[in-house]
Amino acid sequence: SAVISQKPSRDICQRGTSLTIQCQVDSQVTMMFWYRQQPGQSLTLIATANQGSEATYESGFVIDKFPISRPNLTFSTLTVSNMSPEDSSIYLCSVQEGNTEAFFGQGTRLTVV
Amino acid sequence: GEDVEQSLFLSVREGDSSVINCTYTDSSSTYLYWYKQEPGAGLQLLTYIFSNMDMKQDQRLTVLLNKKDKHLSLRIADTQTGDSAIYFCAETGGYQKVTFGTGTKLQVIP
Repeated sequence: SAVISQKPSRDICQRGTSLTIQCQVDSQVTMMFWYRQQPGQSLTLIATANQGSEATYESGFVIDKFPISRPNLTFSTLTVSNMSPEDSSIYLCSVQEGNTEAFFGQGTRLTVV
Repeated sequence: GEDVEQSLFLSVREGDSSVINCTYTDSSSTYLYWYKQEPGAGLQLLTYIFSNMDMKQDQRLTVLLNKKDKHLSLRIADTQTGDSAIYFCAETGGYQKVTFGTGTKLQVIP
């Protein structure tokens, strides 16, 4: 099984600023995913991040707002740019390798004031 | 696209069994999951089932899969107050994103 560490676990940010969330995995994985869980909602996929290529974004999410880095097979970052209160959510990193179960980090609880 | 549906709320008495239901639309689903999310916490994988299985039992948890009807259920035996949480059904076809249901809030009444 994969162990995923996310930093920070929570943060309170001013509107207009940006926050970078880090995701570290204890093994090499091909595919990493970033999800958002808005208050009282289910999880929505933001993008898929593969090492060596640009992230693939889902409908409704754009690179300018959520730039993603994937410098190697164990690490990824998600930046939430120019934040507004509507960006207040839990952001989760996930990995899935082939036909295996998906593993999730504990999430980053972001509050934008 | 893929769709996963759950009822939003379930209330049971402590000691009774809880059954949380889920329906999905993706016929190519390989893995089906049940996650638990306690207030203020991240996701905890409870159990998962391969699409070629009908049932999986793990201590107090029993997962039933009806692939023909695309119906998944999670039964929690002897439900405890610590089981109060939101339970998410999810599915994936492998090498793909995980699609989550809306979540079922389980309330356990002492």
